[in-house]
Amino acid sequence: KQEVTQIPAALSVPEGENLVLNCSFTDSAIYNLQWFRQDPGKGLTSLLLIQSSQREQTSGRLNASLDKSSGRSTLYIAASQPGDSATYLCAVSNQAGTALIFGKGTTLSVSS
Amino acid sequence: DAGVTQSPTHLIKTRGQQVTLRCSPISGHKSVSWYQQVLGQGPQFIFQYYEKEERGRGNFPDRFSARQFPNYSSELNVNALLLGDSALYLCASSAQPGLANEQYFGPGTRLTVT
Repeated sequence: KQEVTQIPAALSVPEGENLVLNCSFTDSAIYNLQWFRQDPGKGLTSLLLIQSSQREQTSGRLNASLDKSSGRSTLYIAASQPGDSATYLCAVSNQAGTALIFGKGTTLSVSS
Repeated sequence: DAGVTQSPTHLIKTRGQQVTLRCSPISGHKSVSWYQQVLGQGPQFIFQYYEKEERGRGNFPDRFSARQFPNYSSELNVNALLLGDSALYLCASSAQPGLANEQYFGPGTRLTVT
């Protein structure tokens, strides 16, 4: 059974800092890995999708890496801003390829 | 282009009642999935539908059911509501059912059961 763990559960940083969010998964047989952002009480916004054959993806100040063999992914946020404050969720496919399995998320707070 | 839309935004029901939630996928997307997100947890998979057929089902009781219409919109039904069904219900769409395709989520329906 695929399980996804995100560390840390919460993180507070001052504006301008670079930071790394971690995601680990137990079954390396994944189709892809997706990082999402969720603002309080809102839906999910897709940030980055890494296919199983890829090692990383970049979008603006965000960079996500994937190491299938070790069951790990990291989301790097450069030059953090208060607007980055949100919960960040990592998700991988289940074995049947029909659903995403989510971690509990990392809640990020960036202070100005 | 409009994203995934869901209705209603908020809903309050009493234990034992039934509820229907609605989702319209992004234009051109044929696959719809439903997730339940309890406060403080990540979303949990309920169903996936593609071309009106169920392609996957999560570990939820038979009180939960869904269907997909010819225009690819979808409804999630929950019968005999329990307090524990209170959650944010999220709908996601993708072009195809396989997870090589990116999932796009709607804003969710907040269900409160009293």
